[in-house]
Amino acid sequence: EVQLVESGGGLVRPGGSLRLSCVGSGFSFSGSWMTWVRQAPGRGPEWVANIKQDGSIKNYLDSVKGRFTIFRDNAKNSLYLQMYSLRDEDTAIYYCASNNDWRFDYWGQGALVTVSS
Amino acid sequence: QSALTQPASVSGSPGQSITISCSGTSSDIGTYIYVSWYQYYPGKAPKLLIYDVTERPSGISDRFSGSKSGNTASLTISGLQAEDEADYYCCSYAGSPYVFGAGTKVTVL
Repeated sequence: EVQLVESGGGLVRPGGSLRLSCVGSGFSFSGSWMTWVRQAPGRGPEWVANIKQDGSIKNYLDSVKGRFTIFRDNAKNSLYLQMYSLRDEDTAIYYCASNNDWRFDYWGQGALVTVSS
Repeated sequence: QSALTQPASVSGSPGQSITISCSGTSSDIGTYIYVSWYQYYPGKAPKLLIYDVTERPSGISDRFSGSKSGNTASLTISGLQAEDEADYYCCSYAGSPYVFGAGTKVTVL
């Protein structure tokens, strides 16, 4: 059974930092591009960032460039999203997903990030 | 990139067919075949229903089908069942980033 489990969400003040983690199992994690997608309350999903299998290529949504960093540890089947300088508009459920051939095959259940003073 | 446009809600009776539209532009749906559809139940992991406009992953019922014409993609659910009541989102590759629709809530009457 494929599983992706996110952790690390929580309440953080504007300007603060947070690191999300995602552990995968049941599929070839090291053979997959991986992605972070977020969904703000009452809005559709928004692609945030993705990373190639070996970590050599990373792509970011313009609004998070310079503030968020995606990285992975294939030995631990783990994906991460380090978030700095958080803003109110970053409040969302953050999902990790495998991202092969321009589709998101498997998703986690998400981690809630709330940015509020 | 602007979000893709979907109707906020679509409803149908059990056994009927419904179609959800997803309108984009020549920069996303109109250019790429990489249109996918996802089913969301609150509190659960989203599920891939359709990819590459018309393809179904293994294990997805053939009651779900996809199509595309110009800048608009569509998801059709045939033989509507109570379990199909959920939120549905379209997505298109747009040369990085990907763009999603705002979502359609399907209600089974």
